[in-house]
Amino acid sequence: DTAVSQTPKYLVTQMGNDKSIKCEQNLGHDTMYWYKQDSKKFLKIMFSYNNKELIINETVPNRFSPKSPDKAHLNLHINSLELGDSAVYFCASTLTSGSLVQYFGPGTRLTVT
Amino acid sequence: KQEVTQIPAALSVPEGENLVLNCSFTDSAIYNLQWFRQDPGKGLTSLLLIQSSQREQTSGRLNASLDKSSGRSTLYIAASQPGDSATYLCAVGSGNTPLVFGKGTRLSVIA
Repeated sequence: DTAVSQTPKYLVTQMGNDKSIKCEQNLGHDTMYWYKQDSKKFLKIMFSYNNKELIINETVPNRFSPKSPDKAHLNLHINSLELGDSAVYFCASTLTSGSLVQYFGPGTRLTVT
Repeated sequence: KQEVTQIPAALSVPEGENLVLNCSFTDSAIYNLQWFRQDPGKGLTSLLLIQSSQREQTSGRLNASLDKSSGRSTLYIAASQPGDSATYLCAVGSGNTPLVFGKGTRLSVIA
Protein backbone atom coordinates (compact mmCIF):
# COMPACT_ATOMS: atom_id res chain seq x y z
CA ASP A 1 0.00 0.00 0.00
CA THR A 2 3.03 2.23 -0.39
CA ALA A 3 1.90 5.69 -1.43
CA VAL A 4 5.18 6.98 -2.88
CA SER A 5 7.80 4.40 -3.73
CA GLN A 6 11.35 4.75 -4.96
CA THR A 7 13.81 2.28 -6.42
CA PRO A 8 16.49 1.51 -5.63
CA LYS A 9 16.73 2.30 -1.95
CA TYR A 10 20.52 2.19 -2.03
CA LEU A 11 22.80 2.83 -4.98
CA VAL A 12 26.58 2.62 -4.89
CA THR A 13 28.42 3.41 -8.09
CA GLN A 14 31.67 4.77 -9.43
CA MET A 15 32.41 8.21 -10.74
CA GLY A 16 31.60 8.67 -14.38
CA ASN A 17 28.78 6.13 -14.47
CA ASP A 18 25.19 6.87 -15.53
CA LYS A 19 22.37 5.81 -13.22
CA SER A 20 18.61 6.18 -12.84
CA ILE A 21 16.32 6.40 -9.86
CA LYS A 22 12.63 5.63 -10.25
CA CYS A 23 9.64 7.04 -8.42
CA GLU A 24 6.01 6.00 -8.50
CA GLN A 25 2.99 7.28 -6.60
CA ASN A 26 -0.38 5.59 -6.39
CA LEU A 27 -2.19 8.51 -4.78
CA GLY A 28 -3.63 9.98 -7.96
CA HIS A 29 -1.56 13.13 -7.47
CA ASP A 30 -0.76 15.40 -10.39
CA THR A 31 2.44 17.06 -9.18
CA MET A 32 5.68 15.29 -8.37
CA TYR A 33 9.03 16.51 -7.10
CA TRP A 34 12.63 15.49 -6.67
CA TYR A 35 14.48 16.77 -3.60
CA LYS A 36 18.12 16.30 -2.66
CA GLN A 37 19.27 15.93 0.95
CA ASP A 38 22.98 16.57 1.28
CA SER A 39 25.46 15.37 3.88
CA LYS A 40 24.37 18.18 6.19
CA LYS A 41 20.80 16.85 5.99
CA PHE A 42 19.55 19.97 4.19
CA LEU A 43 16.63 19.23 1.84
CA LYS A 44 16.44 21.24 -1.37
CA ILE A 45 14.17 21.04 -4.38
CA MET A 46 15.62 19.92 -7.70
CA PHE A 47 12.67 19.50 -10.05
CA SER A 48 8.91 19.72 -10.09
CA TYR A 49 6.52 18.20 -12.63
CA ASN A 50 2.82 18.88 -13.02
CA ASN A 51 0.82 16.55 -15.27
CA LYS A 52 4.02 15.29 -16.88
CA GLU A 53 5.29 18.78 -17.62
CA LEU A 54 8.36 20.32 -16.05
CA ILE A 55 7.37 23.40 -14.07
CA ILE A 56 10.37 23.98 -11.85
CA ASN A 57 14.00 23.33 -12.55
CA GLU A 58 16.27 24.71 -9.89
CA THR A 59 19.95 25.29 -10.47
CA VAL A 60 20.87 21.70 -11.09
CA PRO A 61 23.66 20.51 -13.42
CA ASN A 62 22.29 19.36 -16.76
CA ARG A 63 23.76 15.94 -16.00
CA PHE A 64 20.50 15.47 -14.11
CA SER A 65 17.54 14.79 -16.37
CA PRO A 66 14.07 14.06 -15.00
CA LYS A 67 11.55 12.14 -17.07
CA SER A 68 7.84 11.76 -16.43
CA PRO A 69 6.26 9.11 -18.65
CA ASP A 70 2.90 9.63 -16.95
CA LYS A 71 1.42 11.43 -13.96
CA ALA A 72 2.22 8.58 -11.60
CA HIS A 73 5.91 8.33 -12.41
CA LEU A 74 8.86 10.67 -12.20
CA ASN A 75 12.28 9.21 -12.86
CA LEU A 76 15.67 10.84 -12.40
CA HIS A 77 18.56 10.02 -14.68
CA ILE A 78 22.05 11.16 -13.77
CA ASN A 79 24.91 11.17 -16.27
CA SER A 80 28.62 11.18 -15.51
CA LEU A 81 28.21 10.84 -11.78
CA GLU A 82 30.50 12.89 -9.55
CA LEU A 83 31.52 12.51 -5.91
CA GLY A 84 29.41 15.53 -5.00
CA ASP A 85 26.28 13.79 -6.22
CA SER A 86 26.40 11.54 -3.18
CA ALA A 87 23.25 12.32 -1.22
CA VAL A 88 19.81 11.02 -0.41
CA TYR A 89 17.28 11.77 -3.14
CA PHE A 90 13.63 12.03 -2.19
CA CYS A 91 10.65 11.91 -4.46
CA ALA A 92 7.41 13.56 -3.33
CA SER A 93 3.94 14.17 -4.71
CA THR A 94 0.93 16.34 -4.06
CA LEU A 95 -2.57 17.00 -5.36
CA THR A 96 -2.79 20.58 -6.54
CA SER A 97 -6.54 20.80 -6.03
CA GLY A 98 -6.37 19.36 -2.54
CA SER A 99 -4.82 20.24 0.77
CA LEU A 100 -1.34 20.40 -0.81
CA VAL A 101 0.11 17.98 1.71
CA GLN A 102 3.29 16.60 0.19
CA TYR A 103 3.90 12.90 0.57
CA PHE A 104 7.49 11.71 0.44
CA GLY A 105 9.04 8.51 -0.71
CA PRO A 106 11.54 6.61 1.47
CA GLY A 107 14.53 8.10 -0.31
CA THR A 108 17.37 6.69 -2.40
CA ARG A 109 20.79 6.87 -0.82
CA LEU A 110 23.30 7.40 -3.64
CA THR A 111 26.98 6.90 -2.92
CA VAL A 112 29.50 7.75 -5.62
CA THR A 113 32.98 6.35 -5.08
CA LYS B 1 13.63 34.28 -1.62
CA GLN B 2 12.03 32.25 1.15
CA GLU B 3 14.31 31.12 3.95
CA VAL B 4 13.30 28.84 6.80
CA THR B 5 15.17 28.68 10.08
CA GLN B 6 14.70 26.18 12.87
CA ILE B 7 15.85 26.64 16.42
CA PRO B 8 17.33 24.85 18.24
CA ALA B 9 19.39 22.67 15.93
CA ALA B 10 19.43 19.94 18.55
CA LEU B 11 17.54 19.30 21.76
CA SER B 12 17.83 16.66 24.43
CA VAL B 13 15.13 16.26 27.07
CA PRO B 14 14.18 13.67 29.70
CA GLU B 15 11.16 11.53 29.05
CA GLY B 16 7.86 13.08 30.06
CA GLU B 17 8.80 16.68 29.43
CA ASN B 18 6.78 19.01 27.26
CA LEU B 19 8.82 20.76 24.60
CA VAL B 20 8.59 23.35 21.85
CA LEU B 21 10.36 23.42 18.51
CA ASN B 22 10.58 26.70 16.66
CA CYS B 23 10.41 27.55 12.99
CA SER B 24 10.64 30.97 11.35
CA PHE B 25 10.29 32.02 7.73
CA THR B 26 11.17 35.23 5.95
CA ASP B 27 8.33 35.59 3.43
CA SER B 28 4.86 35.56 4.99
CA ALA B 29 3.15 34.94 1.62
CA ILE B 30 2.75 31.23 2.21
CA TYR B 31 -0.10 28.85 1.47
CA ASN B 32 0.73 26.35 4.15
CA LEU B 33 3.32 25.11 6.58
CA GLN B 34 4.09 21.48 7.11
CA TRP B 35 5.92 19.72 9.95
CA PHE B 36 7.70 16.47 9.16
CA ARG B 37 9.49 13.85 11.14
CA GLN B 38 12.57 12.07 9.79
CA ASP B 39 14.05 9.04 11.49
CA PRO B 40 17.73 8.20 10.83
CA GLY B 41 18.15 6.69 7.39
CA LYS B 42 14.46 6.96 6.68
CA GLY B 43 12.12 9.13 4.67
CA LEU B 44 9.90 11.97 5.81
CA THR B 45 6.62 11.47 7.59
CA SER B 46 4.16 14.33 7.48
CA LEU B 47 2.98 15.19 10.99
CA LEU B 48 0.83 18.26 10.60
CA LEU B 49 -0.13 20.69 7.87
CA ILE B 50 -1.41 24.16 8.67
CA GLN B 51 -3.14 26.12 5.94
CA SER B 52 -2.38 29.84 5.81
CA SER B 53 -5.89 30.63 7.07
CA GLN B 54 -5.46 28.45 10.14
CA ARG B 55 -3.81 29.24 13.45
CA GLU B 56 -3.10 25.74 14.68
CA GLN B 57 -3.49 22.04 14.11
CA THR B 58 -3.47 19.21 16.61
CA SER B 59 -2.76 15.52 16.29
CA GLY B 60 -2.50 13.48 19.46
CA ARG B 61 0.33 14.86 21.59
CA LEU B 62 1.39 17.26 18.84
CA ASN B 63 0.19 20.80 18.39
CA ALA B 64 1.46 23.12 15.70
CA SER B 65 0.74 26.82 15.59
CA LEU B 66 1.17 29.35 12.83
CA ASP B 67 1.56 33.11 13.03
CA LYS B 68 1.91 34.28 9.44
CA SER B 69 2.34 37.94 10.25
CA SER B 70 5.40 37.31 12.38
CA GLY B 71 6.66 34.47 10.19
CA ARG B 72 6.69 31.88 12.94
CA SER B 73 5.46 28.43 13.72
CA THR B 74 5.92 26.22 16.76
CA LEU B 75 5.56 22.50 17.22
CA TYR B 76 4.57 21.57 20.74
CA ILE B 77 5.12 17.99 21.89
CA ALA B 78 3.42 17.01 25.12
CA ALA B 79 4.67 14.32 27.48
CA SER B 80 7.64 13.38 25.30
CA GLN B 81 8.59 9.73 24.85
CA PRO B 82 11.82 8.06 23.68
CA GLY B 83 9.96 7.10 20.50
CA ASP B 84 9.68 10.81 19.69
CA SER B 85 13.44 10.94 19.11
CA ALA B 86 13.95 12.01 15.50
CA THR B 87 14.70 15.06 13.39
CA TYR B 88 11.78 17.41 12.99
CA LEU B 89 11.62 19.46 9.82
CA CYS B 90 9.54 22.53 9.13
CA ALA B 91 8.68 23.39 5.53
CA VAL B 92 6.66 26.20 3.96
CA GLY B 93 4.74 25.97 0.72
CA SER B 94 3.19 28.42 -1.68
CA GLY B 95 0.55 26.71 -3.79
CA ASN B 96 1.91 23.68 -5.56
CA THR B 97 5.44 25.03 -5.56
CA PRO B 98 8.11 22.94 -3.89
CA LEU B 99 8.47 23.15 -0.17
CA VAL B 100 11.26 25.21 1.34
CA PHE B 101 12.72 23.34 4.27
CA GLY B 102 14.49 24.36 7.43
CA LYS B 103 17.56 22.41 8.50
CA GLY B 104 15.64 20.61 11.20
CA THR B 105 15.81 20.11 14.93
CA ARG B 106 17.33 16.85 16.11
CA LEU B 107 15.39 15.72 19.18
CA SER B 108 16.58 13.14 21.68
CA VAL B 109 14.22 12.03 24.44
CA ILE B 110 16.11 10.25 27.19
CA ALA B 111 14.40 7.46 29.09
